[in-house]
Amino acid sequence: NAGVTQTPKFQVLKTGQSMTLQCAQDMNHEYMSWYRQDPGMGLRLIHYSVGAGITDQGEVPNGYNVSRSTTEDFPLRLLSAAPSQTSVYFCASGLFGLGVRGANVLTFGAGSRLTVL
Amino acid sequence: AQTVTQSQPEMSVQEAETVTLSCTYDTSESDYYLFWYKQPPSRQMILVIRQEAYKQQNATENRFSVNFQKAAKSFSLKISDSQLGDAAMYFCAYQTQNSGGSNYKLTFGKGTLLTVNP
Repeated sequence: NAGVTQTPKFQVLKTGQSMTLQCAQDMNHEYMSWYRQDPGMGLRLIHYSVGAGITDQGEVPNGYNVSRSTTEDFPLRLLSAAPSQTSVYFCASGLFGLGVRGANVLTFGAGSRLTVL
Repeated sequence: AQTVTQSQPEMSVQEAETVTLSCTYDTSESDYYLFWYKQPPSRQMILVIRQEAYKQQNATENRFSVNFQKAAKSFSLKISDSQLGDAAMYFCAYQTQNSGGSNYKLTFGKGTLLTVNP
């Protein structure tokens, strides 16, 4: 059971370049999300999805695109990288049944460190 | 919007002693979940403990326990018999679960860096 797999673990980009951070989970989780972690800021939600074909914006969505064509994959796209997007990115997934009352827990990937020069 | 505040940027504790990390949150909702996550130097986010707001009983997981005060909107984490491996950044997090269905967002505090001294 691989859990949540993020690739790449490290990436250096130049301003204006584009790239995709990949996230895959093998736990059949409906909910998937992307966070960025910056020093002194905690983790902030970028985008999330509650199922295939459904995505929504989080707290800091500008400059990022997502899509959810399958339950397993939730890639994060940077169309034109900026130095302000230098950060550590985490993908997280969980079982979040609509209307289900229970303790829902996110499983996190190992993180991807992105540097934009 | 919900907010989560961790007022202690850094804490330290002697090995084998007890430490309490503070967390307060602001919400107008009655149904939600609270979490403590641990992030060691490996960067991996690890769930420490979770609390359902509708449960009055405080959650415990081995050496980790919480003091959940719903009226005061306080959710502190107590680590007993601290071990060197407990050294990490600890994040408090709030998750709404309202009837809207798609609002399963996790709001994190800024974290408390815990140092364990031998």
